[in-house]
Amino acid sequence: AQSVSQHNHHVILSEAASLELGCNYSYGGTVNLFWYVQYPGQHLQLLLKYFSGDPLVKGIKGFEAEFIKSKFSFNLRKPSVQWSDTAEYFCAVTPRALTFGSGTRLQVQP
Amino acid sequence: GAVVSQHPSWVICKSGTSVKIECRSLDFQATTMFWYRQFPKQSLMLMATSNEGSKATYEQGVEKDKFLINHASLTLSTLTVTSAHPEDSSFYICLAGGPDTQYFGPGTRLTVL
Repeated sequence: AQSVSQHNHHVILSEAASLELGCNYSYGGTVNLFWYVQYPGQHLQLLLKYFSGDPLVKGIKGFEAEFIKSKFSFNLRKPSVQWSDTAEYFCAVTPRALTFGSGTRLQVQP
Repeated sequence: GAVVSQHPSWVICKSGTSVKIECRSLDFQATTMFWYRQFPKQSLMLMATSNEGSKATYEQGVEKDKFLINHASLTLSTLTVTSAHPEDSSFYICLAGGPDTQYFGPGTRLTVL
């Protein structure tokens, strides 16, 4: 069965710091990969997704992610975080139903 | 983008009662609906997958007789929590579409007293 691992459970950064959140998946076949964000009290919002092509994917709000097939990884990055990026971030993978990682809580301090 | 609605957005009920949650795709036909549950400070856990016109497929550990799913049309799926108990209190979210194109509903907060 497919699974998704997010190793960073809680990350605290200062504004303007760079961000990288890890995501690894286990599935031998072709996968589609996603990062979602959940702001406090709100529902999930798609940040970016990878289906095929350029493994460096750019999403909304300045986020990007790189798919490294050999490492089964899809890490999320942002060069300079803002206080408004404080949220829960979920990595997810298909091909069947979306399977979510456990989430990473990001806290950005002003 | 496509819009998916859920009704109600929140519900409070007494233990032992049943609660029905609706998920509607408003401007597209959803051949597949996924139902997720999210407990506080936890990730989304897939409960079941339903395809229009056929029986839902439940994930391991999810009681199909307790969580009844109906996907009678391409725009509507319902989740009924039967004989709800406090441990069923959670945030229930539907995902409409398919593996490549999917849209989340806004979720339903269920509180069982």
